[in-house]
Amino acid sequence: GNSVTQMEGPVTLSEEAFLTINCTYTATGYPSLFWYVQYPGEGLQLLLKATKADDKGSNKGFEATYRKETTSFHLEKGSVQVSDSAVYFCAQINNAGNMLTFGGGTRLMVKP
Amino acid sequence: EPEVTQTPSHQVTQMGQEVILRCVPISNHLYFYWYRQILGQKVEFLVSFYNNEISEKSEIFDDQFSVERPDGSNFTLKIRSTKLEDSAMYFCASSQQTGVGNSPLHFGNGTRLTVT
Repeated sequence: GNSVTQMEGPVTLSEEAFLTINCTYTATGYPSLFWYVQYPGEGLQLLLKATKADDKGSNKGFEATYRKETTSFHLEKGSVQVSDSAVYFCAQINNAGNMLTFGGGTRLMVKP
Repeated sequence: EPEVTQTPSHQVTQMGQEVILRCVPISNHLYFYWYRQILGQKVEFLVSFYNNEISEKSEIFDDQFSVERPDGSNFTLKIRSTKLEDSAMYFCASSQQTGVGNSPLHFGNGTRLTVT
């Protein structure tokens, strides 16, 4: 079945450091891919998405490129801020478009 | 910006009791979902709902679970006889269309259910 695997956290960085959170997926076909973010005490918010191979999703300085050849969708940011501290979830959607499969989440902690 | 609202934010119940978790999806959305997250584990899909019926459900969503849209605004998840392992954060979500491409899921802040 479909699955999403992402690197375990926590990831602890200093402010302005470069961030990479790895995400790989297994699926039949080419699903749409997403990154969601969960700030403390809040729900899941869509951060960015990509719907086909080689698409790059971007938002708030975060980027992720849909790589069909490596079945990956790694999240990157060039310079993290303390306010980026949150849990990040990689996800894919099924062919019917009605069920998201999430990775296990990666907690990011950014220190000043 | 419109948002999905869930009540209560925290529900404590005794094992064997029935519990109803409530959600108000975004008003022009047509697709509704429940997900759950057991502490420290993945966010797991439970059920999707469209046109007053379940369109997809996971193996977690057994006979103890049911969903309902009792009126034009609410979407509820009922657990008939709660078990300790039902303790989790339950997230409601809605989307305008099925969640592909330009219609992402919008999530509520969740209801933390604690079964004692």
